[in-house]
Amino acid sequence: ILNVEQSPQSLHVQEGDSTNFTCSFPSSNFYALHWYRWETAKSPEALFVMTLNGDEKKKGRISATLNTKEGYSYLYIKGSQPEDSATYLCAVYNAGNNRKLIWGLGTSLAVNP
Amino acid sequence: ETGVTQTPRHLVMGMTNKKSLKCEQHLGHNAMYWYKQSAKKPLELMFVYSLEERVENNSVPSRFSPECPNSSHLFLHLHTLQPEDSALYLCASSQGLTGGGYEQYFGPGTRLTVT
Repeated sequence: ILNVEQSPQSLHVQEGDSTNFTCSFPSSNFYALHWYRWETAKSPEALFVMTLNGDEKKKGRISATLNTKEGYSYLYIKGSQPEDSATYLCAVYNAGNNRKLIWGLGTSLAVNP
Repeated sequence: ETGVTQTPRHLVMGMTNKKSLKCEQHLGHNAMYWYKQSAKKPLELMFVYSLEERVENNSVPSRFSPECPNSSHLFLHLHTLQPEDSALYLCASSQGLTGGGYEQYFGPGTRLTVT
């Protein structure tokens, strides 16, 4: 059974701080990794889909890297803003999953103004 | 209307009731999903449909019955639910099945309470 672990579970930072979280997963039979942002009272929103070892993607102040050999991905937020407050979810798809994403519990980020 | 919509947003039902959740996507996607989100647990995939054909049923109790009449609509029919079925039910869609690396677009969810 594939387990997707996210750390830390929660994080409080000040506006302007840069921060990062980790998503860990078994590296065997890896297909794809997804990052989503889920703001309170809204729908989860896709940030990145990453498939290749060494992939690095960026969207504004948010970027992500992927290491499929060691089984982890980092999500970075540069200069956090209050509107970045949300739960950040990681999900992994691999050959052992019968065609489904396995989700982590998420990292809850609170950015204080 | 754009994106993925779900109705109702909130539902309270007794254990003997029958109700249905509705999901509609306006994105032209070919795959649709039902997820269950319980407190302190990760998102749990319930059903996957691709081109209106069910391709995944993850050991979901028969009191949950999905229906996909066309590629834009997905229903979850509920009957004789248990209190532990109280959760947030999310619908999602994607251009293709996730194995191809397609991101999923989510609706706002239905908050279900079973009394």
